[in-house]
Amino acid sequence: GEDVEQSLFLSVREGDSSVINCTYTDSSSTYLYWYKQEPGAGLQLLTYIFSNMDMKQDQRLTVLLNKKDKHLSLRIADTQTGDSAIYFCAVQGYSTLTFGKGTMLLVSP
Amino acid sequence: SAVISQKPSRDICQRGTSLTIQCQVDSQVTMMFWYRQQPGQSLTLIATANQGSEATYESGFVIDKFPISRPNLTFSTLTVSNMSPEDSSIYLCSAGTSGVLYEQYFGPGTRLTVT
Repeated sequence: GEDVEQSLFLSVREGDSSVINCTYTDSSSTYLYWYKQEPGAGLQLLTYIFSNMDMKQDQRLTVLLNKKDKHLSLRIADTQTGDSAIYFCAVQGYSTLTFGKGTMLLVSP
Repeated sequence: SAVISQKPSRDICQRGTSLTIQCQVDSQVTMMFWYRQQPGQSLTLIATANQGSEATYESGFVIDKFPISRPNLTFSTLTVSNMSPEDSSIYLCSAGTSGVLYEQYFGPGTRLTVT
């Protein structure tokens, strides 16, 4: 089955850019997603990218997709303390999503 | 997008008992799912809740342990039966639309502790 890997932890200073990386195994994946989970809350869909795209920008968020290397990244510009959360990469299969283990982003003032 | 609520938000239960978790969506959706998120782990899909028919379970999950109902397009329940401490987890309901773009929206989760 699909395997999705993420680094577990990232620490940045407020105002810096954050880059969260994700790799996956199934090259037939059509859509790839980034979710955010704040403490005690459910998952919030942040953004997604279709597999025929290389890049998608949405305000402070930039998603980069390298389909050849099966590598997805999420860049957060001007990171704020409110961005501290766990970020999950998810890859769409036939009718379900496979999630990575999540990257905990800690933003210090 | 869809707004999803879950009840209860948390519970502490004794070994051997059962707990039913409710999931309510504010609009009619095609797909509803139940996930488990164990401490420090990713989300694991338990089953797809099908309206009007039996749920479709993922490998490692069985109906006797996790019976699911979905009586209509906006509501589903998950029961965790004969609980053991290994069932301590966050249980998340999600809902989405089928199609090429597969957006799923998640409820806030139910934090279950089994003693």
